Amino acid sequence: DQQVKQNSPSLSVQEGRISILNCDYTNSMFDYFLWYKKYPAEGPTFLISISSIKDKNEDGRFTVFLNKSAKHLSLHIVPSQPGDSAVYFCAAKEGFGAGNMLTFGGGTRLMVKP
Amino acid sequence: DARVTQTPRHKVTEMGQEVTMRCQPILGHNTVFWYRQTMMQGLELLAYFRNRAPLDDSGMPKDRFSAEMPDATLATLKIQPSEPRDSAVYFCASGLGRNTEAFFGQGTRLTVV
Repeated sequence: DQQVKQNSPSLSVQEGRISILNCDYTNSMFDYFLWYKKYPAEGPTFLISISSIKDKNEDGRFTVFLNKSAKHLSLHIVPSQPGDSAVYFCAAKEGFGAGNMLTFGGGTRLMVKP
Repeated sequence: DARVTQTPRHKVTEMGQEVTMRCQPILGHNTVFWYRQTMMQGLELLAYFRNRAPLDDSGMPKDRFSAEMPDATLATLKIQPSEPRDSAVYFCASGLGRNTEAFFGQGTRLTVV
């Protein structure tokens, strides 16, 4: 049973518009959430994170929203750029600190069209 | 430029052969993870170590997979014997307690024919 789910395997967006990637989780013990971006033939790279004590975290064009009651988080990219085209993985863990294992969703492939 | 290094980048082997994948974590990191990426499962955790001690390997098929950290600069993932269903990209990641994220290597693409 997947504890972290990304229900949209792909998303296509026009350059300059907003990209919204969604993620749902089932484990109520998760209290730290991360988004990773992955280009082909490369490893995932960390993008942005949010602690469960917050409902929003912003870093430049990237904003992550957390709705704990719904066990849902989303990543907003505004404005979207062609270089954002990649696979985005949502991840969750119990507890702060890299020593705690990450549980990943299945990924969403974002395509930003020029 | 600190990074996680994985070798080999690509490996093609015949069914039944032994495969060893290696990972050099970022110097000073005390946690190492092995993940496998498949089309169907996304990124699934196989094993992880903290201070070289295995903490969780429940995601790993025990009969054929083994993971070790002979020293702080080397982690290995071994498959013996390999099967076609093991074909995937295997990622190593490392982290340090006070940081929040794990840093990934570029992966080893394994093809078992």
